[in-house]
Amino acid sequence: AQKVTQAQTEISVVEKEDVTLDCVYETRDTTYYLFWYKQPPSGELVFLIRRNSFDEQNEISGRYSWNFQKSTSSFNFTITASQVVDSAVYFCALFPYNQGGKLIFGQGTELSVKP
Amino acid sequence: DVKVTQSSRYLVKRTGEKVFLECVQDMDHENMFWYRQDPGLGLRLIYFSYDVKMKEKGDIPEGYSVSREKKERFSLILESASTNQTSMYLCASRTTGTGEDTQYFGPGTRLTVL
Repeated sequence: AQKVTQAQTEISVVEKEDVTLDCVYETRDTTYYLFWYKQPPSGELVFLIRRNSFDEQNEISGRYSWNFQKSTSSFNFTITASQVVDSAVYFCALFPYNQGGKLIFGQGTELSVKP
Repeated sequence: DVKVTQSSRYLVKRTGEKVFLECVQDMDHENMFWYRQDPGLGLRLIYFSYDVKMKEKGDIPEGYSVSREKKERFSLILESASTNQTSMYLCASRTTGTGEDTQYFGPGTRLTVL
C-alpha cells in the first residue's frame, strides 16, 4: 500500500516554542520523493521541500529543519522558535516514482501558534 | 518562479449549472492536476493530464470532466453542478524533467453550489 500518515491532526504552541510535525509513509517503491507543503489560511499550497529516497541527509533552512529516516519510514518537520506566521496546515506527501505521477497526501496537521 | 493561476478565488453557482474552473501555468510544465479539498478528507485527485489533449482519471472523477487544448491551460468542468461539489478546488502543475517532479499549486477556488 502507498500511504502517508500524519498522526497529529492539530497542534497548538506558544510563540518561540519548537514544534515537530510527524510524517510516516508506506511504499513498495525503492525510488520515491517526499514533500512538505504549507497551506496558510489563504488556501494556496506552498512547496517547502522535496527529498528523494536516496538522500537521507537532514536539511535545515532557517528555522525549518527536516529529518528523513528510511529505517523508520519517517520524514519529520521541525520549526524552531515558532512564530504566529507559521500558523497553517502542513501536508506531507509521497511521490512513488512508478505510480504515474500521483502525489499521495497525508491528512495534514493544523498548527496554531499563539502569541 | 513558477506561477499557477486559477480563474476565480471564490465562485457561487446554482444546482444544475455548468461550471468551468480554469487553471493556467506559465512554466511550460507537461503535467497538470485538479484536486478537491474537503475537511476531514484531505486532498483528493480528480483528474490529471500528462500533456496536451491527454487526460487520466484520478480517484474521484465522477461528475467532472476536463479539457486540455493548450499546454498552459487545464480546465475542470462540472457538467451539472450539485451541492456535494461545494469544495475547495486546487490546480497544480509539474514538469517531468530530471531532478524535478515537484507539483506547484495555484491559489485555489472555493466553489459553493446552492
